[in-house]
Amino acid sequence: DAGVIQSPRHEVTEMGQEVTLRCKPISGHDYLFWYRQTMMRGLELLIYFNNNVPIDDSGMPEDRFSAKMPNASFSTLKIQPSEPRDSAVYFCASSSRQPGGEKLFFGSGTQLSVL
Amino acid sequence: QKEVEQDPGPLSVPEGAIVSLNCTYSNSAFQYFMWYRQYSRKGPELLMYTYSSGNKEDGRFTAQVDKSSKYISLFIRDSQPSDSATYLCAMIDNYGQNFVFGPGTRLSVLP
Repeated sequence: DAGVIQSPRHEVTEMGQEVTLRCKPISGHDYLFWYRQTMMRGLELLIYFNNNVPIDDSGMPEDRFSAKMPNASFSTLKIQPSEPRDSAVYFCASSSRQPGGEKLFFGSGTQLSVL
Repeated sequence: QKEVEQDPGPLSVPEGAIVSLNCTYSNSAFQYFMWYRQYSRKGPELLMYTYSSGNKEDGRFTAQVDKSSKYISLFIRDSQPSDSATYLCAMIDNYGQNFVFGPGTRLSVLP
C-alpha cells in the first residue's frame, strides 16, 4: 500500500486566497483525520471522519476552515480566505478501528505558507 | 494543566547512549498508549503501541506504561544517529473518543 497520500507537499499563497489541501487515505481505513502542526501548539486535531461522515469538527479554528469527504478514498481541507496565521504543516491521517486498530497512519503533510 | 505533558528538549546524547523519553498525563480514561517518531519534514510514524500497563519491547526500543502514576516512557538502547527525530507520545481512551498527542521531544544522537 502506498500509505496516506497528501497533495500538494508545499503551498505558498497570499493572504485572502483560497487554499485546498487533498488527502487519499489508506484503502480500507474507515477513519480519516486532519491535523495541523506548529511549533507553538504542536499537533492539533482539526476534524475527523468515520465512514465519510464528519464526527468531530470542534478543532476547526473558525468558519474559514471546511473539510469534506465525498467518498472513502478522498478528502479535502479548504481554507477560505487564508490568513498568515494559518501557516503550518497540515497532516492527514487514517486508521482502522479494528480491535487494536487505534493506530494512526500519517501522510507526509502539506507545508502551507500564507504571505 | 495540559492533558499530556512532555519535555520538549532538545535532548542531545552521544551515539550508543541509552535514551529515556517520558510523558505524563492527567486523564485516567486513557487505555492505549503509543509513541510516534517524526523525522524532519515528514509525518509522524507509529513506533510503539501498548495497551494498559506494562512493558513492551521491540528491538532497541522498550515502552513502559505505569497507569497508577499516569506516566509512560520510551527507552532507546544503543542509540544511533538515525534515531535523531522528534518523539511524540499519544494516547486514546477505551471508547476511541479522545486521541491526544504530547508536544514531542526533539532528540539528537551525536556520532
